[in-house]
Amino acid sequence: GAVVSQHPSRVICKSGTSVKIECRSLDFQATTMFWYRQFPKQSLMLMATSNEGSKATYEQGVEKDKFLINHASLTLSTLTVTSAHPEDSSFYICSARVGREQRDTQYFGPGTRLTVL
Amino acid sequence: AQTVTQSQPEMSVQEAETVTLSCTYDTSESDYYLFWYKQPPSRQMILVIRQEAYKQQNATENRFSVNFQKAAKSFSLKISDSQLGDAAMYFCAYRSGGSSGSRLTFGEGTQLTVNP
Repeated sequence: GAVVSQHPSRVICKSGTSVKIECRSLDFQATTMFWYRQFPKQSLMLMATSNEGSKATYEQGVEKDKFLINHASLTLSTLTVTSAHPEDSSFYICSARVGREQRDTQYFGPGTRLTVL
Repeated sequence: AQTVTQSQPEMSVQEAETVTLSCTYDTSESDYYLFWYKQPPSRQMILVIRQEAYKQQNATENRFSVNFQKAAKSFSLKISDSQLGDAAMYFCAYRSGGSSGSRLTFGEGTQLTVNP
C-alpha cells in the first residue's frame, strides 16, 4: 500500500515555542492531506483538510492561527503548532488521499507525539 | 452530520477463536464508504477492510470480513482465527461519497485483547 511518513516521531518543547511537523507521501502524489489529533485512549479528531496549493480548511473549534498548515507540494504538508502550551500536548497524525477521486482511500502516517513542558 | 458508534469499548478473544466487533452509523446519504482501521500499540493506523455502500456483497480480506446491513446501518467486523498480532484498537469509520466525501468520521474505538 501507499506509504506516508511523519517527522519527527517525538518532540518535546518548552512552552511558548513553535513546533513543525512534516507529513510526506513517499510513493504517490497526495492532492489532499488531513491532520488529526488523538488524545490517549480516544478516537481521532480531524483538525483540518489540506489541499495542495490552497488554504487549509479547518474544523470548527480549531484555531487556524495556532495550528498553521502548509501544503506546498503534492508530497509534503506541514503542521506548525505556534506558541505551544502544555494543553497542546497530544498525538498528531496525518493522512493522505491517494488519487483525485473522492472515493480513494486515505493512508495514515505513523504519528508524532508532542509534549509541551 | 454523520455519526459512528462503537458500543464495545473493550473486547477479548482467545487465540484461534472468532470475534465480532460492532459498529453502527447514522446518515441520510445513500452513497458512502465504510472502513475498519486497526491501531496497534505503535499507533500506526492500518486499513483493515473497506466497504462501498452500493455493494451488497460483504467485503472480505483474508481472516477479516464484515457484515454490512445497510437498512439497519450496521457494519460489524468479524476476525476469524484470531492471532496475537490482532491485538489493537479498532476504529470504524464513515466517509461520504458526495462532494464533501474526503473526511473520515471515526467511532470511539474498541480495544481488542487476544489471549494466548
